[in-house]
Parts: sequence; structure tokens; C-alpha cells
Amino acid sequence: GAGVSQSPSNKVTEKGKDVELRCDPISGHTALYWYRQSLGQGLEFLIYFQGNSAPDKSGLPSDRFSAERTGGSVSTLTIQRTQQEDSAVYLCASSQTTGGTDTQYFGPGTRLTVL
Amino acid sequence: AQSVTQLGSHVSVSEGALVLLRCNYSSSVPPYLFWYVQYPNQGLQLLLKYTSAATLVKGINGFEAEFKKSETSFHLTKPSAHMSDAAEYFCAVSGNYGQNFVFGPGTRLSVLP
Repeated sequence: GAGVSQSPSNKVTEKGKDVELRCDPISGHTALYWYRQSLGQGLEFLIYFQGNSAPDKSGLPSDRFSAERTGGSVSTLTIQRTQQEDSAVYLCASSQTTGGTDTQYFGPGTRLTVL
Repeated sequence: AQSVTQLGSHVSVSEGALVLLRCNYSSSVPPYLFWYVQYPNQGLQLLLKYTSAATLVKGINGFEAEFKKSETSFHLTKPSAHMSDAAEYFCAVSGNYGQNFVFGPGTRLSVLP
């Protein structure tokens, strides 16, 4: 079956503009994660959706960042008034359930460049 | 709370040599441990995971890792490196629930001819 897909694969924007990044998880997966990977650094957790429960937003770096997940499937990460330090690869992952043993399946990422 | 450290941000080995990538964790609950690999310009994929069954876990591409509770370690090994193993490797720890998933900073493996 299809894996996790993300769009766009690359996004170049000007400082101050808003951007939307999309994630299509694997069908039937109840958990969805967003991470940020900056150049030469590890993965930084951003937000976690678990079924219909309220998301865990503890990793969002500022109130310019928000995310939603519609119908328990597709998720959109929105960054308002982008800054140069927002430049990074944004990775989405999904897992079948919310258990700690579940494998996360990652999308290819969206590379965001803020000029 | 969980945390992960990976000793060595960059490891170089010769083709055919032993690969050893170190991972130490901290967890307030019995941990579940994972190794993911990221090839250039690709997303992460699971290499192997420990979920409290056998302490020696075998994964894809000839990799294996051993959970050592006394040392709080989960080091990744491969007896003989191949050029195609060059990638970034991430160790991760999870508790009982998925939202406690924490990745280490990663180790970049280079394989020299």
C-alpha cells in the first residue's frame, strides 16, 4: 500500500509569508507526528495527533506554528510570518496505533527555505 | 521522561570493517528502543526495534542491536560495512505511549573504500 506522502517536496518562500505543509498518512493509522530536522541536527518533535483526542502541541516552537488534522487523516502544518530560522526539513510520520512499540512510518519530508 | 544520547556525530569505517554506533538512553519507565536510518534525501525508515522480548534484536540489512539494561545502552552493530550503509542513523526511545517518542541527535556513518 501507499506510504506517507508529503507535499510540496520543496518550498521556497520569502520572510514574513505564511506557508502550509501537507501530510497524507498511511490509511488507517491513528497517530500522526510532525518533526523538524534542521541542517546537521536531529529530529525535533513538533506536534502529535492521536485519533480524535486533543493534539500534543508541546513541541511547537512558537505561536506562529499550528497544525490540524481533518477527519483523522490528512494533516496540515501552518507556519505564519516565516522567519529564516524556520528553514528546515519538515517530516511527517504516522503509526498504526498510539502504543509506544509502534513503528513510525515517515514521509520523504518537505524542505522549507525561507529567504 | 525519556532522553537519548548518541556518542559520535560522525563515524567513519572502511568497507568490510565492523560498524558500531552507540546509543544510550534514559527512561523513567521500561523503554522501547528503535534504530532508524535516513539515506540521503530520503525519509527515515525503521532498522529494528526492541519491545521487551529478546534483548538481541536483528534488523534489516544485516544490522543488529543489543539491549543492555545495566548499561542503559542499545548499540547498533554490523559485522561488515558496505558502501550502501552510508547514511544517518537515529536511535529513539519510547515509553508506553507514542507521544513520548524521543530521537537522539543522529550519527552520520561514512564508509570508506
